[in-house]
Amino acid sequence: EVQLVESGGGLVQPGGSLRLSCAASGFTFSRYWMSWVRQAPGKGLEWVANIKGDGNERNFVDSVKGRFTISRDNARKSLYLQVDSLRAEDTAVYYCARIEYSSRSFDHWGQGTLVTVSS
Amino acid sequence: QSLLTQPPSVSAAPGQKVTFSCSGSSSNIGSNDVSWYQHLPGTAPKLLIYENNKRPSGIPDRFSGSKSGTSATLGITGLQTGDEADYYCGTWDSSLTTVVFGGGTKLTVL
Repeated sequence: EVQLVESGGGLVQPGGSLRLSCAASGFTFSRYWMSWVRQAPGKGLEWVANIKGDGNERNFVDSVKGRFTISRDNARKSLYLQVDSLRAEDTAVYYCARIEYSSRSFDHWGQGTLVTVSS
Repeated sequence: QSLLTQPPSVSAAPGQKVTFSCSGSSSNIGSNDVSWYQHLPGTAPKLLIYENNKRPSGIPDRFSGSKSGTSATLGITGLQTGDEADYYCGTWDSSLTTVVFGGGTKLTVL
């Protein structure tokens, strides 16, 4: 059974940083593109970033470029999102999701971790 | 403002059929496959439909999808109270080279 478990969220002041983690199990992690998707309070889903299975290709939504970094450790079957220079508008639940590449769909998701940016 | 337009809400009675619309443009729905997701806040979103009309293993055939031009539709028949959730369409946008989602439609089963 595919499982994705996020951690690392919390309350942080504007300008602060966090490192989000996603522990994967139940599939060959290195074979899949992985992604972070977020949902701000009262808003819809927003794709944030994705990373290729071997870690050699990364993409980001414009609003986080230069502030967020996505990485992975295939030996540990873990996905990470380093979030720096946080702003109030980054407040959201951050979901880890597996990408089914051929259909570009997110076929498995985690339960999410909440990031709150507030002073 | 989402690039994919979904009505904010829809409602129907148990046992009835409901459809969700998703309208885009030539750079997203018009040239790429559409997926649909069910999301109860606080839980993991679930993939319902991929490649416009295909259901993942475990998704009942009460759920169906279609696409025509720059619009896509999700249908649910035999509505159940457990279907109450937010429903999102998503696809790739070839101009932005990003994944885009609709704003979501909240389903209320009366």
